Amino acid sequence: GQSLEQPSEVTAVEGAIVQINCTYQTSGFYGLSWYQQHDGGAPTFLSYNGLDGLEETGRFSSFLSRSDSYGYLLLQELQMKDSASYFCAVREADKIIFGKGTRLHILP
Amino acid sequence: GAVVSQHPSRVICKSGTSVKIECRSLDFQATTMFWYRQFPKQSLMLMATSNEGSKATYEQGVEKDKFLINHASLTLSTLTVTSAHPEDSSFYICSARDLEGVNEQFFGPGTRLTVL
Repeated sequence: GQSLEQPSEVTAVEGAIVQINCTYQTSGFYGLSWYQQHDGGAPTFLSYNGLDGLEETGRFSSFLSRSDSYGYLLLQELQMKDSASYFCAVREADKIIFGKGTRLHILP
Repeated sequence: GAVVSQHPSRVICKSGTSVKIECRSLDFQATTMFWYRQFPKQSLMLMATSNEGSKATYEQGVEKDKFLINHASLTLSTLTVTSAHPEDSSFYICSARDLEGVNEQFFGPGTRLTVL
């Protein structure tokens, strides 16, 4: 079966750094993605890791370790607009399976 | 960037009626489209995968006769919720992928369905 585990909620302070972890167990694995979703909105793509290592895009970075079935999303210089839900998602051949999401609360 | 639209954005219907939701890729050809369902504060649950010109592949537990999916062209897929009941009330989101974008999906804005 497939399972993706990520914390349900994380709280951080504006300007700080936060890391959201994701562990996965799937029958087939092509890569790990991260999506952001604001309340009432659609998910938007943040990053994709197909190989081990760190991918950086502006304030956001994502890491993957295939041997550990583990990845994380790192958000730096947090802004209030970063308050949202963040989903890790595994690409299995032809489809993407989403984790349950991490609700990020940012305090001023 | 790639844009996916959905119509309608909100729909309220009576129990027993059927509702059709359209998903369009506006500036690219979507060889594959996906339909998701999301309950409040929960994850996106993949319902089915549709490839242009072929039958949709449904995930386990999703009733294919209740959720009819048609992907008649490279820019349009439709989801019809047949004989809707209150438990079908949910946020339905489509996403699309082109030939090159195997690692990224572009999501539509979603359709909020409320069945009375």
